[in-house]
Amino acid sequence: NAGVTQTPKFQVLKTGQSMTLQCAQDMNHEYMSWYRQDPGMGLRLIHYSVGAGITDQGEVPNGYNVSRSTTEDFPLRLLSAAPSQTSVYFCASSPHPIAGGPYNEQFFGPGTRLTVL
Amino acid sequence: AQKITQTQPGMFVQEKEAVTLDCTYDTSDPSYGLFWYKQPSSGEMIFLIYQGSYDQQNATEGRYSLNFQKARKSANLVISASQLGDSAMYFCAMRGITGGYQKVTFGTGTKLQVIP
Repeated sequence: NAGVTQTPKFQVLKTGQSMTLQCAQDMNHEYMSWYRQDPGMGLRLIHYSVGAGITDQGEVPNGYNVSRSTTEDFPLRLLSAAPSQTSVYFCASSPHPIAGGPYNEQFFGPGTRLTVL
Repeated sequence: AQKITQTQPGMFVQEKEAVTLDCTYDTSDPSYGLFWYKQPSSGEMIFLIYQGSYDQQNATEGRYSLNFQKARKSANLVISASQLGDSAMYFCAMRGITGGYQKVTFGTGTKLQVIP
C-alpha cells in the first residue's frame, strides 16, 4: 500500500492564481480531510469528507473548495491564491469514525509546502 | 467548543530519562478520542497513541503511554527511556462527532529535544 499520497510536494504561486492540490489513498478509507499547518498554530481542519459525494467544512474553509467523486481521491482547490494561504497542507484519511468511538487514528500524507507571492 | 492546550512550547530531556508532555482539553461532547502525533524535522505526521474517552485504562504503545485524567481533562504523553530520535514536535489532538459534524482540534505542539 502506498498509503496517503500528495502532489506536488512544493508549489509557488502568484497572488490570484488557482491550483489544485492532489490527495489519494489506497486504504479504502471513507473519511478524508485537509489541514493546513502554520507556525505556532498546530494543524487546522479546512474541509473533510465522510464518503464519495459528501463533503463538509472544517475550521478554516474560506478560499478553498473540495469535491469527492471517488473513495480514493480528495483534491483541494485554491480558487484565487492569497499570501495568507502560504502554509503546509496535509491530507489525511481514516476509517469512518462513529459517534461513540473508537475514533481511529488518521493517516497523514507527506504534505505540500505552498508559497503564495 | 473544542479546545486543546499544550502549555510547553519547548522541552529538554536527557537521553534515557522519562519525559511528560502536557495536554489539557475542553469539550462538551460526551464521546471523543484523544491522539498524540510526532512530527520530526522531516515534516511527516506520525501517529503515536490513542485514548478513547470511555476507555477505562490508560493507553500504552511501547515506550509511549497516555496519562488520561478525565475529571481534570488532561491527556499527558509520557515517553520512557528517551532516545535521540525522539527529538521532534509533538501534537495532542482531539476528535469527536456532534450532531453529525466532525470536529478535529490540534494543539500548538511541544518541541522536544533529547540531549545526549
